[in-house]
Amino acid sequence: GAGVSQSPSNKVTEKGKDVELRCDPISGHTALYWYRQRLGQGLEFLIYFQGNSAPDKSGLPSDRFSAERTGESVSTLTIQRTQQEDSAVYLCASSLVTTGELFFGEGSRLTVL
Amino acid sequence: AQSVTQLDSQVPVFEEAPVELRCNYSSSVSVYLFWYVQYPNQGLQLLLKYLSGSTLVKGINGFEAEFNKSQTSFHLRKPSVHISDTAEYFCAVSESQAGTALIFGKGTTLSVSS
Repeated sequence: GAGVSQSPSNKVTEKGKDVELRCDPISGHTALYWYRQRLGQGLEFLIYFQGNSAPDKSGLPSDRFSAERTGESVSTLTIQRTQQEDSAVYLCASSLVTTGELFFGEGSRLTVL
Repeated sequence: AQSVTQLDSQVPVFEEAPVELRCNYSSSVSVYLFWYVQYPNQGLQLLLKYLSGSTLVKGINGFEAEFNKSQTSFHLRKPSVHISDTAEYFCAVSESQAGTALIFGKGTTLSVSS
């Protein structure tokens, strides 16, 4: 597609369940980022993939969070045993090079009851 | 690791007034700097960026920012704001080498009223 695509756009889950969020970056973009945006807060960096390099996982808040990326395509962010504090909008972005413009998806809004 | 501080969480201004949104960064190496804007109910989009060269950078919608290395600042300015500039503005920094993540500040809400 023309832009970064994220799914689902909305997800409501019960505390303790696992969730998977998907990101389709713009074709050819080597860099892919995941951020978390809590209500009224800024963007919290979670994880960054760049080509075939080892991902920068320094922003993942706990071992319940993990992410994978297949080559330079789709990425999946997985949150295990969800907690209420995980409720947020999860944003994915991609770029051609790390010094370039990030293109953001519309986000996946996660609500943990 | 780099970090970003946006000094004002909210900035209320009247239409046609000038505005400055402040951003300071911390890094032990040279950096690239960005401002992103998020209009209500929309995704983030790039406003402007500094990679190298002239320290005064011009972006979309009449915004500009100046990179000040000695002050470690990258403040965003507009001489005359419009109602349509009401949005959340985010400053971001990355180290100027491949393979480093882009880190965002907590954002500044600009509210323009008539």
